[in-house]
Amino acid sequence: IVLTQSPGTLSLSPGERATLSCRASQSVSSSYLAWYQQKPGQAPRLLIYGASTRATGVPDRFSGGGSGTDFTLTISRLEPEDFALYYCQQFGGSPPYTFGQGTQVEIK
Amino acid sequence: QVQLQESGPGLVKPSQTLSLTCSVSGESISNGGYYWTWIRQPAGKRLEWIGRIYAGVNTNYNPSLKSRVTISADTSKNQFSLTLNSVTAADTAVYFCARVGIVDVPQAADVWGQGTVVTVSS
Repeated sequence: IVLTQSPGTLSLSPGERATLSCRASQSVSSSYLAWYQQKPGQAPRLLIYGASTRATGVPDRFSGGGSGTDFTLTISRLEPEDFALYYCQQFGGSPPYTFGQGTQVEIK
Repeated sequence: QVQLQESGPGLVKPSQTLSLTCSVSGESISNGGYYWTWIRQPAGKRLEWIGRIYAGVNTNYNPSLKSRVTISADTSKNQFSLTLNSVTAADTAVYFCARVGIVDVPQAADVWGQGTVVTVSS
């Protein structure tokens, strides 16, 4: 399953709303769709699993949704620490399990 | 608190074997509730799932790497390892080990090592 994220780069100001898209080449069970945040030189951090469940300690400004082949990650109001690279990932069915190519959220 | 830590050579010669170990603390890798997983990230590219081991002995691999990769576990040391044969420059990447839930936080990597850079070069 190929995951395609859009846009490649999102230029926004602190306080604005960010909407990131992840489209799958075939249907993915919502149970198997996750979102990660990655900052330079760090490992990815799990934000959302099961398409819409926030991981422990993740602020409620992060929310996930979608089903089938179209999923979204929304950051309701961007904080300075939210400017980072975001990946979607599917771990469903049989290998290989795949990641999207990432969306960079940068400060405008 | 569960922690993972990768270790191994940072430089491997072409055609040789890459070997990395992930040391786990705070959770037993014999616990059947998790997939202990290797993921890599070439510079500027997307993350790539390499493979996993669970319940100490069961493995799954990325078909694109299957002929060259082995993941094994040493439960006495609470470690799992990655071996990748016949490496080329395309195997240069940051290698991460991670825990993926089966029941708790299902099918998502909730704990990661900090990553280790492996360069394939003569």
